[in-house]
Amino acid sequence: DQQVKQNSPSLSVQEGRISILNCDYTNSMFDYFLWYKKYPAEGPTFLISISSIKDKNEDGRFTVFLNKSAKHLSLHIVPSQPGDSAVYFCAASGVPGTYKYIFGTGTRLKVLA
Amino acid sequence: GAGVSQSPSNKVTEKGKDVELRCDPISGHTALYWYRQSLGQGLEFLIYFQGNSAPDKSGLPSDRFSAERTGGSVSTLTIQRTQQEDSAVYLCASSLSGAANTGELFFGEGSRLTVL
Repeated sequence: DQQVKQNSPSLSVQEGRISILNCDYTNSMFDYFLWYKKYPAEGPTFLISISSIKDKNEDGRFTVFLNKSAKHLSLHIVPSQPGDSAVYFCAASGVPGTYKYIFGTGTRLKVLA
Repeated sequence: GAGVSQSPSNKVTEKGKDVELRCDPISGHTALYWYRQSLGQGLEFLIYFQGNSAPDKSGLPSDRFSAERTGGSVSTLTIQRTQQEDSAVYLCASSLSGAANTGELFFGEGSRLTVL
């Protein structure tokens, strides 16, 4: 049972435009969400996070939106740059009694120059 | 070191052999995680260590998998009698605290295991 889902395996966006990556989750106990970025042959690196007490968190070109009622979060990258081309994973945590981070299957973003 | 260090970076082994993968976390990080990523899949949780507490082994796929963490620092993931389906990138991560909502995980570059 996939508790964190990224239904788009890939996304292509023109440089300068907005990239929107989506993530859905099923467990209402999750209260902390993170986005990671992964380049080939490297480990994932942390990008941005959001706590369930917020509905938006912004860091430079990156903004994460959380819709708790819909159990949905999204990552917006504006403007997109070729260096943003990578695989993006969303992750969720916060179920009492466990410290697991549950990751989605990732979305491969390609930003076209 | 400055980051999470994993070794070997690549390992090719024959089916049925045992392998050991090593992880050296960031100094001072009390929590250590092992994940794996199979081809085309997401990151699959394997095991979690926090300080001196009993590890959370709930993600280990079979009893052929085991892990230990010595002295609260270095961890070794051991896979016995490897099978082809064990082929994956094994990622280690550490964090300052085991609390699930206080910060991100810092990942190593992974150990790519190929079982022939």
